Amino acid sequence: LAKTTQPISMDSYEGQEVNITCSHNNIATNDYITWYQQFPSQGPRFIIQGYKTKVTNEVASLFIPADRKSSTLSLPRVSLSDTAVYYCLVGGDTNAGKSTFGDGTTLTVKP
Amino acid sequence: DVKVTQSSRYLVKRTGEKVFLECVQDMDHENMFWYRQDPGLGLRLIYFSYDVKMKEKGDIPEGYSVSREKKERFSLILESASTNQTSMYLCASSFSGKYNEQFFGPGTRLTVL
Repeated sequence: LAKTTQPISMDSYEGQEVNITCSHNNIATNDYITWYQQFPSQGPRFIIQGYKTKVTNEVASLFIPADRKSSTLSLPRVSLSDTAVYYCLVGGDTNAGKSTFGDGTTLTVKP
Repeated sequence: DVKVTQSSRYLVKRTGEKVFLECVQDMDHENMFWYRQDPGLGLRLIYFSYDVKMKEKGDIPEGYSVSREKKERFSLILESASTNQTSMYLCASSFSGKYNEQFFGPGTRLTVL
């Protein structure tokens, strides 16, 4: 069971790049790493998923080193609307029901 | 657009009552989940279902049961609500083979008095 650890909070300013790291030392071979964004009074929303190396979409990039024991969500040029809680989820179909969400990182973007 | 709906946004119940939380998804997803979310504790999985009538316990199943009689509907049942079950409850669904790409409902904030 891959327990995940994230920083509790981070502050940034508009226009900066933000990197949020998740540690998952016990990640299993078949586990994927997924990141979610949650605004107040809403359910989490899928942002990006990866298995190894780097994945990029229109919203974010995900960096995963070779040992896969951590991952970094990168948000380019954040705006005030990126203020939210960000969760990493480690798991997959082979250990369904055992996936673990991190405790979440509260990102505050300031003007 | 994937839609996951939950029967209530806010619910207030009394200790000892039987509580039903309903979740419906419209994307023909095989997997459905129930989580609870508490300040400082993140999202914790209560139960998971990978098919009709199939279920698996998550991290914190004690005090809860679930029912999945139809593919699109997953119910969470609190047999005898207690004050420590006051929480935000979130339902999610995903395709089989895409376990981690979960689509969440808006949540039900349950208060047990």
